[in-house]
Amino acid sequence: SQKIEQNSEALNIQEGKTATLTCNYTNYSPAYLQWYRQDPGRGPVFLLLIRENEKEKRKERLKVTFDTTLKQSLFHITASQPADSATYLCALGGGNQFYFGTGTSLTVIP
Amino acid sequence: DTAVSQTPKYLVTQMGNDKSIKCEQNLGHDTMYWYKQDSKKFLKIMFSYNNKELIINETVPNRFSPKSPDKAHLNLHINSLELGDSAVYFCASSQGDRANYGYTFGSGTRLTVV
Repeated sequence: SQKIEQNSEALNIQEGKTATLTCNYTNYSPAYLQWYRQDPGRGPVFLLLIRENEKEKRKERLKVTFDTTLKQSLFHITASQPADSATYLCALGGGNQFYFGTGTSLTVIP
Repeated sequence: DTAVSQTPKYLVTQMGNDKSIKCEQNLGHDTMYWYKQDSKKFLKIMFSYNNKELIINETVPNRFSPKSPDKAHLNLHINSLELGDSAVYFCASSQGDRANYGYTFGSGTRLTVV
């Protein structure tokens, strides 16, 4: 079955730096990869989607890359702010079904 | 407000009881889902309905029964609750295979079985 791993459970960075989160997967060839943000006590919120034939996608301070050879996605937040502190989840799949990773908790330190 | 809303937000109940969680979306989406998030934050799909028809039924005990009276509602009924059912349950919706917009999640129902 598919396996999705996010680089670490927790990541601390200084405000203003670029945060880089990793999503690795095995036994799967997804058509899409999504990234979500989840705050405590709330449901995940959709941020970005990237297709298997796309290398990179950007939205404001966010950038996602998708390497289907390495079976890896990188999620970057540039000029990070304390308000970016949250858990970030990657999800792989296609159509109506996506499988989620366990998330990385990001803390941006002022 | 356009959203996915689920009730109740918290549910504490004894083992063996039967309980229901309700979900409604007013986004006009045609696909709805139930996800379970365990204590390690792992989010796992349980069911998916498209226009009131069950399309995904992952390996879930048959004590869990989803019901979709119309495409805007997807309720989850759980019989004979067990301690291991304690988790946060999320309802979500999406517009068919328009994965560009991702899923819209509700705020979750924290179920505690004692």
